[in-house]
Amino acid sequence: DVKVTQSSRYLVKRTGEKVFLECVQDMDHENMFWYRQDPGLGLRLIYFSYDVKMKEKGDIPEGYSVSREKKERFSLILESASTNQTSMYLCASSQRTGRGPYNEQFFGPGTRLTVL
Amino acid sequence: KNEVEQSPQNLTAQEGEFITINCSYSVGISALHWLQQHPGGGIVSLFMLSSGKKKHGRLIATINIQEKHSSLHITASHPRDSAVYICAVRLSGNEKLTFGTGTRLTIIP
Repeated sequence: DVKVTQSSRYLVKRTGEKVFLECVQDMDHENMFWYRQDPGLGLRLIYFSYDVKMKEKGDIPEGYSVSREKKERFSLILESASTNQTSMYLCASSQRTGRGPYNEQFFGPGTRLTVL
Repeated sequence: KNEVEQSPQNLTAQEGEFITINCSYSVGISALHWLQQHPGGGIVSLFMLSSGKKKHGRLIATINIQEKHSSLHITASHPRDSAVYICAVRLSGNEKLTFGTGTRLTIIP
């Protein structure tokens, strides 16, 4: 069974703390994504990685950075957490287009982050 | 204006009713996805379409490329269908998805 896992379901941090969100996939997918989801705004892409050590900014990268040292692991880093980063964070992975007939994204369960 | 628009935003129906959720987009796409998100956050992919129609159980998805429009239908709706349904498009030549804001469906027993 394909699986994307995230390190925490719920996380509470204080303003100014450094926060790490980890995502691991076991499907040998090239592409990995970090989204945040807020009411009324839908899912918005923060960062995207199409290969190890490769990354691309999404729609809302400000205040975030990412790391992809291994193919199966994609980390999202909040260098100095702020209250406006309170949100649901979702990780996803997919095969690179052209590797197969499908380009379905598989999602992790999400991490609900609260910054106080 | 969002590139992906869904309607309605909220939908409440009685068990057994036929449900239709609509998605319109304004850009050229290579594929359209329908996703389901239950309370608690997990998102699962229901369909990926590039043309025509697909059916899985009581769910049917259609797409009209010329009109830039897709519909998700649920026949004989059931309370367990209550969820947020999200439309997402993959732009031509792009690995990324652009998402609609979702339709919250509630089926009352």
